[in-house]
Amino acid sequence: AQKVTQAQTEISVVEKEDVTLDCVYETRDTTYYLFWYKQPPSGELVFLIRRNSFDEQNEISGRYSWNFQKSTSSFNFTITASQVVDSAVYFCALSEGGKFSGGYNKLIFGAGTRLAVHP
Amino acid sequence: DGGITQSPKYLFRKEGQNVTLSCEQNLNHDAMYWYRQDPGQGLRLIYYSQIVNDFQKGDIAEGYSVSREKKESFPLTVTSAQKNPTAFYLCASSILGSSKNIQYFGAGTRLSVL
Repeated sequence: AQKVTQAQTEISVVEKEDVTLDCVYETRDTTYYLFWYKQPPSGELVFLIRRNSFDEQNEISGRYSWNFQKSTSSFNFTITASQVVDSAVYFCALSEGGKFSGGYNKLIFGAGTRLAVHP
Repeated sequence: DGGITQSPKYLFRKEGQNVTLSCEQNLNHDAMYWYRQDPGQGLRLIYYSQIVNDFQKGDIAEGYSVSREKKESFPLTVTSAQKNPTAFYLCASSILGSSKNIQYFGAGTRLSVL
């Protein structure tokens, strides 16, 4: 069954600390896509990154980095030198591309991790 | 600027009343989606549409209805049959209904029951 687990409900850090948000997924498909979204207090989900199942290269974008490991079905997100503006709820999501997708772009979301960065 | 506009930002529903949430996009996207978000939970799909005049039920469609008369618009009606409508509702769109395509979201509507 398709499932996304974000075991960390809330994380609290002090500014400039590094923080890693965990994401573990389950899927029967060999073709799938993983996403991270940020939901600031305003409510809108902001797209951060998409990774396909055939690309296991880690990615870095400024203070953000992502570690995709198929062997452990994980797609973790690290924020380096966190800032107050990073405070938000972060969602990991899975989209399947194969026969189980139902023919449409269904995103399976984790429950989210609330990150609080304190000055 | 291209984007997705949801209105109103806050909405209150009386017992037995139907209410309609608006979602408009100017991204020229074919696919549109409605999600419900409850506290401490991820988003759950209510309805989606891949083309004008066509839409499909998602995981929690009971008590909701939609229409897709124009490409840009995908309104959601929360009917009186939805017994627990209090939630945050998010509309999204993507180029096509393909699994690789990124969904872009509006700012949401928070619905409460009076």
